[in-house]
Amino acid sequence: DTGVSQNPRHKITKRGQNVTFRCDPISEHNRLYWYRQTLGQGPEFLTYFQNEAQLEKSRLLSDRFSAERPKGSFSTLEIQRTEQGDSAMYLCASSLSSGGHNEQYFGPGTRLTVT
Amino acid sequence: GENVEQHPSTLSVQEGDSAVIKCTYSDSASNYFPWYKQELGKRPQLIIDIRSNVGEKKDQRIAVTLNKTAKHFSLHITETQPEDSAVYFCAASKGSGYNKLIFGAGTRLAVHP
Repeated sequence: DTGVSQNPRHKITKRGQNVTFRCDPISEHNRLYWYRQTLGQGPEFLTYFQNEAQLEKSRLLSDRFSAERPKGSFSTLEIQRTEQGDSAMYLCASSLSSGGHNEQYFGPGTRLTVT
Repeated sequence: GENVEQHPSTLSVQEGDSAVIKCTYSDSASNYFPWYKQELGKRPQLIIDIRSNVGEKKDQRIAVTLNKTAKHFSLHITETQPEDSAVYFCAASKGSGYNKLIFGAGTRLAVHP
């Protein structure tokens, strides 16, 4: 499968615990995005990277959230001291920022449930 | 701030009918407008997109139109089939088009046989 992959697909955690999600983009894609989707809503932008540089962070991203893309390939999103309001689907997308290729391709998401 | 409004929130049609979903964006600098289809429990999939230098784009039964003056864009699906049933999201982006997408809230389309 050469598409965007995310792990784990599901995560159940207790309030106050830390969680980390991983995203592996399409191999030649240099841009990587994180979005959050709650039931009945469209995805909301969280942050994006070009190669290893984090270029933009949403104001939705509190200081409990941190994302990294250390080698410009896979990315991790960590949530510290989880709260029930963090329960959502976390989606990763990737794109190629050259040759007019604007399309973002999404992964299957990680569904987080905070109990 | 940046905002995309999408209507209707639900749409029910008979197989073979046409379906139209409309979106309005707030940021006049937006220049890239993709549409995604999301089936239950699955990832959003890009079905068609349009850039601001084009007024209309077609791909088989799907077409998208853009009115930059009114800041409106619409998705048209003709000859609907039951497998078109899904949630459809419009989105807008500005700059080089490589930036964040601002999504609408989605339209749940049901196509009845």
